Amino acid sequence: DTEVTQTPKHLVMGMTNKKSLKCEQHMGHRAMYWYKQKAKKPPELMFVYSYEKLSINESVPSRFSPECPNSSLLNLHLHALQPEDSALYLCASSQESGPRRETQYFGPGTRLLVL
Amino acid sequence: AQSVSQHNHHVILSEAASLELGCNYSYGGTVNLFWYVQYPGQHLQLLLKYFSGDPLVKGIKGFEAEFIKSKFSFNLRKPSVQWSDTAEYFCAASSNTGKLIFGQGTTLQVKP
Repeated sequence: DTEVTQTPKHLVMGMTNKKSLKCEQHMGHRAMYWYKQKAKKPPELMFVYSYEKLSINESVPSRFSPECPNSSLLNLHLHALQPEDSALYLCASSQESGPRRETQYFGPGTRLLVL
Repeated sequence: AQSVSQHNHHVILSEAASLELGCNYSYGGTVNLFWYVQYPGQHLQLLLKYFSGDPLVKGIKGFEAEFIKSKFSFNLRKPSVQWSDTAEYFCAASSNTGKLIFGQGTTLQVKP
């Protein structure tokens, strides 16, 4: 089973709202990722968690706040977003992160619209 | 910095035509290579991957890719495309940092 699940599928929020995206995997993977994808563009890495600790932050604005409550769950807390943050947010996981032969498996994404 | 480039941005083919999508990477060390597909409205799915060994890699749905180290290339091929292959195709590479670097993607449109 290579399933990564994400909720919600769609989210509309105002610029003053606070919302959270959730990601879950039950493959025993110890690395989890958040990506942002604009239409017809490749995914852009935002954050990497390895063994529940933040290992990479790709200079993402602080209005995006990741959280890894346990090895199966990954959250992305959103606050005071801008319309240009509207995108598909993808979660992925892999067995490990770092210099290994790892394959990342992606979830279906949350399509976010910021009004 | 490591980069991945895909030469074809938009490809239009008729059903049963052969497909080849180009991918080049710019990293000289050990590199892992991937092709992902994103069908309309769906998530990224792994088509195939290369880590080492036989440079001709076979993936799902009849796709294959050939790793040519001397050309830094990892082109995707399929002998006969179907309408259902209409999708966005991404080549990606990961290096010793573990980061996955994506190409810009190729939109494939297959006409029935």
